[in-house]
Amino acid sequence: NAGVTQTPKFQVLKTGQSMTLQCAQDMNHEYMSWYRQDPGMGLRLIHYSVGAGITDQGEVPNGYNVSRSTTEDFPLRLLSAAPSQTSVYFCASSPLGAFEKLFFGSGTQLSVL
Amino acid sequence: SQKIEQNSEALNIQEGKTATLTCNYTNYSPAYLQWYRQDPGRGPVFLLLIRENEKEKRKERLKVTFDTTLKQSLFHITASQPADSATYLCAPSVSGGQNFVFGPGTRLSVLP
Repeated sequence: NAGVTQTPKFQVLKTGQSMTLQCAQDMNHEYMSWYRQDPGMGLRLIHYSVGAGITDQGEVPNGYNVSRSTTEDFPLRLLSAAPSQTSVYFCASSPLGAFEKLFFGSGTQLSVL
Repeated sequence: SQKIEQNSEALNIQEGKTATLTCNYTNYSPAYLQWYRQDPGRGPVFLLLIRENEKEKRKERLKVTFDTTLKQSLFHITASQPADSATYLCAPSVSGGQNFVFGPGTRLSVLP
Protein backbone atom coordinates (compact mmCIF):
# COMPACT_ATOMS: atom_id res chain seq x y z
CA ASN A 1 0.00 0.00 0.00
CA ALA A 2 1.20 3.51 -0.83
CA GLY A 3 -0.70 5.06 2.11
CA VAL A 4 -1.37 8.80 1.68
CA THR A 5 0.12 10.36 -1.44
CA GLN A 6 0.44 14.10 -1.92
CA THR A 7 1.43 15.95 -5.08
CA PRO A 8 3.27 18.10 -5.85
CA LYS A 9 6.05 18.10 -3.23
CA PHE A 10 7.05 21.69 -4.00
CA GLN A 11 5.20 24.55 -5.66
CA VAL A 12 5.87 28.23 -6.23
CA LEU A 13 2.96 30.48 -7.10
CA LYS A 14 2.51 34.15 -7.81
CA THR A 15 -0.05 36.13 -5.85
CA GLY A 16 -3.48 35.66 -7.38
CA GLN A 17 -2.76 32.36 -9.11
CA SER A 18 -4.88 29.32 -8.42
CA MET A 19 -3.83 25.73 -7.96
CA THR A 20 -4.93 22.39 -6.57
CA LEU A 21 -2.99 20.28 -4.11
CA GLN A 22 -3.72 16.61 -4.65
CA CYS A 23 -4.21 13.99 -1.94
CA ALA A 24 -5.02 10.33 -2.46
CA GLN A 25 -5.18 7.41 -0.05
CA ASP A 26 -5.48 3.70 -0.77
CA MET A 27 -6.53 2.51 2.68
CA ASN A 28 -10.30 3.00 2.20
CA HIS A 29 -10.37 5.56 5.01
CA GLU A 30 -13.59 7.52 5.45
CA TYR A 31 -11.95 10.46 7.18
CA MET A 32 -9.58 12.81 5.35
CA SER A 33 -8.25 16.21 6.30
CA TRP A 34 -5.91 19.00 5.33
CA TYR A 35 -3.54 20.75 7.75
CA ARG A 36 -1.09 23.55 7.27
CA GLN A 37 2.09 23.76 9.28
CA ASP A 38 3.81 27.05 10.02
CA PRO A 39 6.90 27.59 12.21
CA GLY A 40 6.02 27.81 15.90
CA MET A 41 2.30 27.32 15.31
CA GLY A 42 1.83 23.60 14.98
CA LEU A 43 -0.52 21.93 12.55
CA ARG A 44 -3.78 23.77 11.96
CA LEU A 45 -6.83 22.10 10.45
CA ILE A 46 -8.09 23.66 7.22
CA HIS A 47 -10.90 21.36 6.03
CA TYR A 48 -11.96 17.81 6.66
CA SER A 49 -14.29 15.17 5.29
CA VAL A 50 -15.99 12.16 6.88
CA GLY A 51 -16.94 10.56 3.60
CA ALA A 52 -17.61 11.10 -0.09
CA GLY A 53 -19.83 14.14 -0.61
CA ILE A 54 -19.32 15.44 2.94
CA THR A 55 -16.90 18.23 3.83
CA ASP A 56 -16.62 20.72 6.66
CA GLN A 57 -14.45 23.60 7.77
CA GLY A 58 -11.65 23.41 10.25
CA GLU A 59 -9.86 26.13 12.15
CA VAL A 60 -8.42 28.09 9.18
CA PRO A 61 -10.64 27.51 6.10
CA ASN A 62 -10.54 30.97 4.50
CA GLY A 63 -8.98 31.01 1.03
CA TYR A 64 -9.30 27.25 0.55
CA ASN A 65 -11.92 25.00 -1.05
CA VAL A 66 -12.29 21.24 -0.93
CA SER A 67 -14.50 18.58 -2.41
CA ARG A 68 -14.77 14.83 -1.90
CA SER A 69 -16.21 13.02 -4.87
CA THR A 70 -14.58 9.67 -4.08
CA THR A 71 -13.37 7.93 -0.92
CA GLU A 72 -9.79 7.98 -2.22
CA ASP A 73 -9.27 11.62 -3.22
CA PHE A 74 -9.47 14.88 -1.30
CA PRO A 75 -8.03 17.81 -3.28
CA LEU A 76 -7.38 21.23 -1.74
CA ARG A 77 -7.93 24.25 -3.97
CA LEU A 78 -6.41 27.70 -3.58
CA LEU A 79 -8.59 30.00 -5.66
CA SER A 80 -6.43 33.13 -5.46
CA ALA A 81 -3.13 32.52 -3.72
CA ALA A 82 -1.83 35.03 -1.17
CA PRO A 83 1.60 35.28 0.49
CA SER A 84 -0.07 34.36 3.81
CA GLN A 85 -0.74 30.92 2.33
CA THR A 86 2.98 30.17 2.12
CA SER A 87 3.24 27.07 4.26
CA VAL A 88 3.71 23.31 4.30
CA TYR A 89 0.47 21.46 3.68
CA PHE A 90 -0.26 17.97 4.96
CA CYS A 91 -3.07 15.66 4.06
CA ALA A 92 -4.11 13.02 6.59
CA SER A 93 -6.57 10.16 6.67
CA SER A 94 -7.97 7.66 9.15
CA PRO A 95 -10.83 5.25 9.65
CA LEU A 96 -13.89 6.83 11.22
CA GLY A 97 -14.42 6.30 14.92
CA ALA A 98 -12.95 7.22 18.23
CA PHE A 99 -9.33 6.56 19.11
CA GLU A 100 -8.16 6.26 15.52
CA LYS A 101 -4.73 7.51 14.53
CA LEU A 102 -4.02 9.79 11.59
CA PHE A 103 -1.91 8.72 8.63
CA PHE A 104 -0.13 11.65 7.05
CA GLY A 105 1.24 12.27 3.59
CA SER A 106 4.75 13.63 3.09
CA GLY A 107 3.60 17.21 2.55
CA THR A 108 3.57 19.94 -0.07
CA GLN A 109 5.80 22.95 0.43
CA LEU A 110 4.05 25.96 -1.10
CA SER A 111 5.57 29.39 -1.60
CA VAL A 112 3.44 32.32 -2.76
CA LEU A 113 5.43 35.28 -4.02
CA SER B 1 -10.16 29.01 22.36
CA GLN B 2 -8.32 25.72 22.70
CA LYS B 3 -4.61 26.12 23.29
CA ILE B 4 -1.81 23.58 23.33
CA GLU B 5 1.66 24.31 24.69
CA GLN B 6 4.71 22.09 24.57
CA ASN B 7 7.39 22.73 27.13
CA SER B 8 10.10 24.02 24.90
CA GLU B 9 10.86 24.52 21.27
CA ALA B 10 14.06 22.49 21.52
CA LEU B 11 15.52 20.01 23.97
CA ASN B 12 19.07 18.64 23.94
CA ILE B 13 19.96 15.57 25.96
CA GLN B 14 22.83 13.14 26.18
CA GLU B 15 22.55 9.66 24.70
CA GLY B 16 21.35 7.12 27.23
CA LYS B 17 19.42 9.65 29.32
CA THR B 18 15.65 9.93 29.61
CA ALA B 19 13.99 12.66 27.59
CA THR B 20 10.83 14.17 29.06
CA LEU B 21 8.56 16.30 26.90
CA THR B 22 5.57 18.20 28.27
CA CYS B 23 2.24 19.00 26.68
CA ASN B 24 -0.22 21.35 28.40
CA TYR B 25 -3.69 22.16 27.11
CA THR B 26 -6.27 24.73 28.16
CA ASN B 27 -9.95 25.52 27.61
CA TYR B 28 -11.16 22.02 26.85
CA SER B 29 -11.18 18.42 28.02
CA PRO B 30 -9.98 15.96 25.38
CA ALA B 31 -11.26 12.39 25.49
CA TYR B 32 -7.82 11.19 24.43
CA LEU B 33 -4.44 12.47 23.38
CA GLN B 34 -1.95 11.28 20.79
CA TRP B 35 1.77 11.78 20.31
CA TYR B 36 3.40 11.93 16.89
CA ARG B 37 6.98 12.01 15.66
CA GLN B 38 7.98 14.22 12.74
CA ASP B 39 11.29 14.06 10.91
CA PRO B 40 12.50 16.95 8.71
CA GLY B 41 10.67 17.07 5.39
CA ARG B 42 8.27 14.30 6.36
CA GLY B 43 4.74 14.03 7.66
CA PRO B 44 4.03 13.19 11.31
CA VAL B 45 3.97 9.53 12.27
CA PHE B 46 1.76 8.20 15.07
CA LEU B 47 3.50 6.90 18.21
CA LEU B 48 1.08 6.49 21.10
CA LEU B 49 -2.49 7.17 22.16
CA ILE B 50 -3.72 7.57 25.74
CA ARG B 51 -7.34 7.85 26.84
CA GLU B 52 -8.67 10.15 29.55
CA ASN B 53 -9.29 7.21 31.90
CA GLU B 54 -5.73 5.92 31.51
CA LYS B 55 -2.97 7.31 33.66
CA GLU B 56 -0.05 5.79 31.79
CA LYS B 57 0.73 3.99 28.54
CA ARG B 58 3.95 2.28 27.49
CA LYS B 59 5.42 1.07 24.23
CA GLU B 60 8.99 -0.22 24.23
CA ARG B 61 11.15 2.75 25.38
CA LEU B 62 8.25 5.20 25.23
CA LYS B 63 5.94 6.15 28.07
CA VAL B 64 3.07 8.62 28.09
CA THR B 65 1.11 9.94 31.06
CA PHE B 66 -2.16 11.85 31.03
CA ASP B 67 -3.24 13.99 33.99
CA THR B 68 -6.70 15.44 33.32
CA THR B 69 -6.61 17.45 36.55
CA LEU B 70 -3.39 19.22 35.60
CA LYS B 71 -4.43 19.23 31.91
CA GLN B 72 -1.04 17.84 31.04
CA SER B 73 0.58 14.93 29.24
CA LEU B 74 4.19 13.87 29.68
CA PHE B 75 6.08 11.92 27.02
CA HIS B 76 9.19 10.02 28.08
CA ILE B 77 11.87 8.33 25.98
CA THR B 78 14.13 6.17 28.10
CA ALA B 79 17.67 5.17 27.11
CA SER B 80 17.54 7.77 24.36
CA GLN B 81 19.49 7.28 21.14
CA PRO B 82 20.63 9.70 18.42
CA ALA B 83 18.00 8.07 16.16
CA ASP B 84 15.33 9.48 18.51
CA SER B 85 16.24 12.99 17.37
CA ALA B 86 13.10 14.46 15.79
CA THR B 87 10.24 16.83 16.51
CA TYR B 88 7.52 15.42 18.75
CA LEU B 89 3.96 16.68 18.53
CA CYS B 90 1.16 16.22 21.01
CA ALA B 91 -2.40 16.21 19.73
CA PRO B 92 -5.38 16.20 22.09
CA SER B 93 -8.57 15.14 20.37
CA VAL B 94 -11.49 17.51 19.85
CA SER B 95 -14.85 16.15 20.94
CA GLY B 96 -13.55 12.58 20.76
CA GLY B 97 -13.45 12.61 16.98
CA GLN B 98 -10.69 12.71 14.42
CA ASN B 99 -10.14 16.47 14.49
CA PHE B 100 -7.10 17.30 16.53
CA VAL B 101 -5.46 20.44 17.86
CA PHE B 102 -1.74 19.98 17.49
CA GLY B 103 0.88 21.50 19.70
CA PRO B 104 3.79 23.41 18.12
CA GLY B 105 6.15 20.52 18.80
CA THR B 106 9.38 20.01 20.68
CA ARG B 107 12.53 19.41 18.65
CA LEU B 108 14.56 16.79 20.48
CA SER B 109 18.26 16.34 19.81
CA VAL B 110 20.01 13.34 21.36
CA LEU B 111 23.73 13.96 21.45
CA PRO B 112 26.16 11.02 21.19
